[in-house]
Amino acid sequence: SQTIHQWPATLVQPVGSPLSLECTVEGTSNPNLYWYRQAAGRGLQLLFYSVGIGQISSEVPQNLSASRPQDRQFILSSKKLLLSDSGFYLCAWSVRAGTQYFGPGTRLLVL
Amino acid sequence: AQRVTQPEKLLSVFKGAPVELKCNYSYSGSPELFWYVQYSRQRLQLLLRHISRESIKGFTADLNKGETSFHLKKPFAQEEDSAMYYCALSDFGNTGKLIFGQGTTLQVKP
Repeated sequence: SQTIHQWPATLVQPVGSPLSLECTVEGTSNPNLYWYRQAAGRGLQLLFYSVGIGQISSEVPQNLSASRPQDRQFILSSKKLLLSDSGFYLCAWSVRAGTQYFGPGTRLLVL
Repeated sequence: AQRVTQPEKLLSVFKGAPVELKCNYSYSGSPELFWYVQYSRQRLQLLLRHISRESIKGFTADLNKGETSFHLKKPFAQEEDSAMYYCALSDFGNTGKLIFGQGTTLQVKP
C-alpha cells in the first residue's frame, strides 16, 4: 500500500536561517506531488506541484523553492526564512489528477 | 479567478441536528469539487467528490452550477463528525492541483 512521510514533524528556526523539509512517497511510481501551506485563518494554499522528476511549478511568488531529485521525493527549501514563512506545511501525492493523499505535515515556527 | 469560499469559520450544532457546511466557488470552466476532512490528530483526507455521487458517513454534497455551490449536508449530526472541513476544486487537467477554501470547523455538541 502507498504511504507518505514528512519530516521533521515540527521545526523552530530563527529568521534568516535556511530550511529544508522533506516528503517521500512509498508504494507508487511517478506520482504527482504537491506542497501546501496552512497559515492561521487562511486555509490551505498550494505552493508547488510536480508531475515528474525535475518538473516543478510554482503557484505563488514567495521566499520558498521546491525540488524533486527523485521520483518519490519532494523537498521544500528556503535560503533565508522570514517570519511570514511560519505555518503548517503539507505534502500530498496523487496518481495524475486523482484523489490527493496527504502527509502528516510539518509545523514550522520562525522566530 | 479561481476561488473557493467557505463563509463560516465555525459551525456549532447539537447531536442529531441537521448540518449544512456552505461552499461557493468561482471558476470559468467545469471544475471538479471535493470535500476534505481533518479529524483531531489525523491527516487531511478525502471525504467525497462530486463526480462519485456517493454518500460517505451520511454526508452528501450536490453541485449546483447555477449557484456555483457545493454545500455539504448531513441530516443528523454525530459527535464524531466534529472536525475541520475543507471544500476544494480542481480542473480536469493533468496536474490535479487543488484550490482550497478557508475551512469550516464543525463542532457537534452532545
